[in-house]
Amino acid sequence: KAGVTQTPRYLIKTRGQQVTLSCSPISGHRSVSWYQQTPGQGLQFLFEYFSETQRNKGNFPGRFSGRQFSNSRSEMNVSTLELGDSALYLCASSQGVLTYNEQFFGPGTRLTVL
Amino acid sequence: KQEVTQIPAALSVPEGENLVLNCSFTDSAIYNLQWFRQDPGKGLTSLLLIQSSQREQTSGRLNASLDKSSGRSTLYIAASQPGDSATYLCAVNTDKLIFGTGTRLQVFP
Repeated sequence: KAGVTQTPRYLIKTRGQQVTLSCSPISGHRSVSWYQQTPGQGLQFLFEYFSETQRNKGNFPGRFSGRQFSNSRSEMNVSTLELGDSALYLCASSQGVLTYNEQFFGPGTRLTVL
Repeated sequence: KQEVTQIPAALSVPEGENLVLNCSFTDSAIYNLQWFRQDPGKGLTSLLLIQSSQREQTSGRLNASLDKSSGRSTLYIAASQPGDSATYLCAVNTDKLIFGTGTRLQVFP
């Protein structure tokens, strides 16, 4: 069974631009969560989608948004990029019926904002 | 507010040693706890998940214990190998994962 895939793997953007990251969960998984990893703040939860609905949200500004499609694939969007948005963005999938199912992570998208 | 701490922050040991990595959390109201491994610049690999009702979980050379009442978990690595070198992260699940800051492990030949 294929694992969680994320595209693109690397991105370079400039301040003020927007970016869209994509995540395809493990087949059969219905929940996708997004996390941001930085050297200073570590791993922080952004949001979780289940059955195309946002089920949980972390403490990030409204510039960070996401969505989930009917095939469970998810995208996250960051608008008006800031230098501090440079990070590794990880998505995780789980079976999802329970909010606390085991989560499996993708390889991440490395975003650099110049 | 749930806080997760991992000690030590870094560890360097010779091959063959048995290791204990520690994870503590401030709020015992968790569903489960996961241990992950992260290689530099890569994603997270799930090692073990231990449910809140469990005391212990084993996979190969890895053994994780959980004492929910005292807010502690340990990851025991037996007979360490250079391939075990990575950052080890614990995360408590409270309907989202809350991560510790990790233990960077280096095992040298």
